[in-house]
Amino acid sequence: QVQLKESGPGLVQPSETLSLTCTVSGFSLTSYGVNWVRQPPGKGLEWMGTIWNDGSTDYNSALKSRLSISRDTSKSQVFLKMNSLQTEDTAIYLCARAGYAFDYWGQGVMVTVSS
Amino acid sequence: DIQMTQSPASLSASLGETVTIECLASEDIYSNLAWYQQKPGKSPQLLIYYANSLNDGVPSRFSGSGSGTQYSLKINSLQSEDVSIYFCQQNYDSPYTFGAGTKLELK
Repeated sequence: QVQLKESGPGLVQPSETLSLTCTVSGFSLTSYGVNWVRQPPGKGLEWMGTIWNDGSTDYNSALKSRLSISRDTSKSQVFLKMNSLQTEDTAIYLCARAGYAFDYWGQGVMVTVSS
Repeated sequence: DIQMTQSPASLSASLGETVTIECLASEDIYSNLAWYQQKPGKSPQLLIYYANSLNDGVPSRFSGSGSGTQYSLKINSLQSEDVSIYFCQQNYDSPYTFGAGTKLELK
């Protein structure tokens, strides 16, 4: 069955770089894209970016200067890197498959930006 | 960017009632509208895509409608397990923006 699972550090220092991994199973990254979405505690959802099945990427312009999404198809993994983190980047970070809309989601990983 | 205005922000209804949540896009999104349900402490789950297509496994009491800039999610015969936050999202154009959410509670 389709599964996505996020992993990465729970705590990041201000101004540092966040690195997250989304490991997928049950589908191929060359057939489906993967999105990254974040949700600050108690708030709404923000689309961050997508890596499409052909490897091209699309970023939210609000984050584009700080954000990079890449993948390793052999390992079924998608990577998110975002630099210059600030406290307002504290959020649950989720990956979701780009099928019919965002049809499968990971459980999310909580990232706190704090010294 | 396309803005998604969702209403109401919160809603209280009784078991068995029918509820409707609205979503207004700032421009025509040509039915590229999805609805998600998020239960406390869980990730969102896709309910409806392309404005009115029910995702696999979603109960038939959920339905979506609309076109152009105006869309709605209807829940017939409200059940206790429907207590959640509901989000709309346009996937017509990047950035793929979400509505602010509707918190549905039981009266």
